[in-house]
Amino acid sequence: QKEVEQNSGPLSVPEGAIASLNCTYSDRGSQSFFWYRQYSGKSPELIMSIYSNGDKEDGRFTAQLNKASQYVSLLIRDSQPSDSATYLCAVQHTGNQFYFGTGTSLTVIP
Amino acid sequence: NAGVTQTPKFRILKIGQSMTLQCAQDMNHNYMYWYRQDPGMGLKLIYYSVGAGITDKGEVPNGYNVSRSTTEDFPLRLELAAPSQTSVYFCASRTNPGQGSNNYGYTFGSGTRLTVV
Repeated sequence: QKEVEQNSGPLSVPEGAIASLNCTYSDRGSQSFFWYRQYSGKSPELIMSIYSNGDKEDGRFTAQLNKASQYVSLLIRDSQPSDSATYLCAVQHTGNQFYFGTGTSLTVIP
Repeated sequence: NAGVTQTPKFRILKIGQSMTLQCAQDMNHNYMYWYRQDPGMGLKLIYYSVGAGITDKGEVPNGYNVSRSTTEDFPLRLELAAPSQTSVYFCASRTNPGQGSNNYGYTFGSGTRLTVV
């Protein structure tokens, strides 16, 4: 069973703080890693992708990948109330399928 | 560019009825997927396709069927609807490596909320 694990939360942070979201995966052969944001009642929206070890920054978002430890994280700097959503981690194992975690609910408190 | 279009957005079915959820994409993506999302359970893959005429089962295919006669369309068929099929259904597509993109995550449709009573 290929698993992707996320802390379901809820995670609450004050506005302007850094939100840290974590994800672990079971398959060492995993190749590609994605973070999606999903607002309540909406479809998931791709916000970050990362394919190699290290950090990848895009605006206020930073994705971090450590293949040796089999984890991927997402940092959101200067968190805003509009960042309040569920964040889904997705992992592509060998093959054409992506496996999703159950998501972490983030609330940014004004 | 419409992206991924799903219809209908909402539907109520009676037990035993059948229906087809429509999905179309205009991005010339070879890869298409059907997921269902239940509260607290994440996204579960039902079926996927890597190109016209090629489909394969995902994690939870029972009670569903798919076809892929064109690159653009990937309909999902529910036969003999059951209450366990009450869920939100998402269609997604993605480019494949070699199509010139460095980012090949999914693009999702807006979803179909299905209730079976």
